[in-house]
Amino acid sequence: EVQLVESGGGLVQPGGSLRLSCAASGFTFSNYWMHWVRQAPGKGLVWVSRINGDGSSTSYADSVKGRFTISRDNAKNTLFLHLTSLRAEDTAVYYCARSLYDFLDVWGQGTTVTVSS
Amino acid sequence: DIQMTQSPSSLSASVGDRVTISCRASQDISNSLNWYQQTPGKAPKLLIFAASSLQSGVPSRFSGSGSGTDFTLTISSLQREDFATYYCQQSYSSPPTFGQGTEVEIK
Repeated sequence: EVQLVESGGGLVQPGGSLRLSCAASGFTFSNYWMHWVRQAPGKGLVWVSRINGDGSSTSYADSVKGRFTISRDNAKNTLFLHLTSLRAEDTAVYYCARSLYDFLDVWGQGTTVTVSS
Repeated sequence: DIQMTQSPSSLSASVGDRVTISCRASQDISNSLNWYQQTPGKAPKLLIFAASSLQSGVPSRFSGSGSGTDFTLTISSLQREDFATYYCQQSYSSPPTFGQGTEVEIK
């Protein structure tokens, strides 16, 4: 079964850091671009970042550029998102998702990040 | 960034109704338009890609149309499990952007 499972969310103070993980199974992980998409409470979906199959190409939303870092370990079939300098507006459910072409065809269940003092 | 605008923001419908949701892009995106369904507390699910291609396993009552700047998601006969929020997303240029969502509620 194709599956993505996120972990690493939690409560963090403003200015703090967190590392999210996304464990992939059931498919050849290195063949796919991987993405992070977030959803603030009661709000819509916002794309955050993506990385290509071998990790050589990354891109970010302007709102997180310079603060978040996406990476992957293809040997361990795991995607990461390192969040630093966190702000209250980063509070959201963070989803990982895969894409082969342009669309996000498999999503994880999400992990919740809460930034609050 | 390309702006995606959905209409309506919400609608009320009954089981069996035909439902249409519109999505407009701020510039020509060819057919690089995808639709997702999200039920409360769950992850989004891909319904339609490339404007009109049905994702594997998605019921045929869902269909998509359009190209350029104007797109439509149609549910031919609404079922109880279709009450959800629907999002369009453009994949024409980076960053990928989503519409604000359309909530389909039970009348």
